[in-house]
Amino acid sequence: GDSVTQMEGPVTLSEEAFLTINCTYTATGYPSLFWYVQYPGEGLQLLLKATKADDKGSNKGFEATYRKETTSFHLEKGSVQVSDSAVYFCVCGSEKLVFGKGTKLTVNP
Amino acid sequence: EAGVAQSPRYKIIEKRQSVAFWCNPISGHATLYWYQQILGQGPKLLIQFQNNGVVDDSQLPKDRFSAERLKGVDSTLKIQPAKLEDSAVYLCASSLTQGARSGELFFGEGSRLTVL
Repeated sequence: GDSVTQMEGPVTLSEEAFLTINCTYTATGYPSLFWYVQYPGEGLQLLLKATKADDKGSNKGFEATYRKETTSFHLEKGSVQVSDSAVYFCVCGSEKLVFGKGTKLTVNP
Repeated sequence: EAGVAQSPRYKIIEKRQSVAFWCNPISGHATLYWYQQILGQGPKLLIQFQNNGVVDDSQLPKDRFSAERLKGVDSTLKIQPAKLEDSAVYLCASSLTQGARSGELFFGEGSRLTVL
């Protein structure tokens, strides 16, 4: 079945630092790829998505590009803020959504 | 727009006892999901409903877990009898469309179960 491997955390950064969270996937066919985020005390919510190869998903300054040749969907942000502190999940979707284990990000002022 | 509602938020029981969780999805969302999230892991799909029919329950431990969505709206997930390894957060989600490729899932805040 499909699987997702994402960078283990926790990740701690200072405000305005550059963020990369690596994610690779294994899937049959051509899945859609997502990043979901869980802020403290809140439910999981969709951050961005890409549905086909070379698509770039973006939202709130975050970006991720669907790379079929490397089966990757790395999450990046050029300048993180304290409010970005959360747990980030890389998700692969073919027949069903398969979640990575999550990466906890803490941004210090 | 009201989000996905879940209750209770927290539940502590002893092993071999039973527990039930309730979920009310976003109005108009035909697809409803129950996920299990064990500490340190990503959510795992337990069961997916389309209206009141089951689409996927391949990862539901049917000897102890059951779920229903009788009128195609709210849903109940039951565990009986509970085991220590059932300690987890149970997440309910809903979506407008069926299928993992296109739809955005809307999650509730979850029900945290501790089995002692």
